Amino acid sequence: AQSVTQLDSQVPVFEEAPVELRCNYSSSVSVYLFWYVQYPNQGLQLLLKYLSGSTLVKGINGFEAEFNKSQTSFHLRKPSVHISDTAEYFCAVRGGGAQKLVFGQGTRLTINP
Amino acid sequence: DTAVSQTPKYLVTQMGNDKSIKCEQNLGHDTMYWYKQDSKKFLKIMFSYNNKELIINETVPNRFSPKSPDKAHLNLHINSLELGDSAVYFCASSQETGSPYFGPGTRLTVT
Repeated sequence: AQSVTQLDSQVPVFEEAPVELRCNYSSSVSVYLFWYVQYPNQGLQLLLKYLSGSTLVKGINGFEAEFNKSQTSFHLRKPSVHISDTAEYFCAVRGGGAQKLVFGQGTRLTINP
Repeated sequence: DTAVSQTPKYLVTQMGNDKSIKCEQNLGHDTMYWYKQDSKKFLKIMFSYNNKELIINETVPNRFSPKSPDKAHLNLHINSLELGDSAVYFCASSQETGSPYFGPGTRLTVT
């Protein structure tokens, strides 16, 4: 079975500062990895995904993530955040031929001016 | 055009009532899901349908009954609502094992 741990429940940063949201997963099979963003009172929007190939994945809104198989991590990064990035961020894993996504607990990113 | 739509957006009802939430996707996907997000924002899958066939049923009370009349629709009916059913319910769809697209959610409040 797959599981996901997001190591920080809340991350406060100042505007224009860099940010890293940490995600570790466990799985006994090859995995697909995802980051979703949830703005207040909205649904989830896909930021980026890793299926195969290059371990550095670029997504929307200037976000990127790096798949590290040896450390079983898929951390999300952005070099310079904006107020509009304030949201809840979810890491998710799907293993092998499984149909379901298993989500982490979420990380609330708060941007301070 | 909305890719995955849900109705209603808000649902307030009393304990013991029966209610339904409807979901429609216009993406041509063959797989649809229901996820529940609790008050701590934790997301957990409830059901998944592939081509109208139930393929995932995650230890959900049988008061919850999904129905998929066709590939584009997946409805969720809940009998005898309880306080603990209060949550945000998200419908999603994907093509086979592709990335799920999520609907806007239905906030259910049971009083």
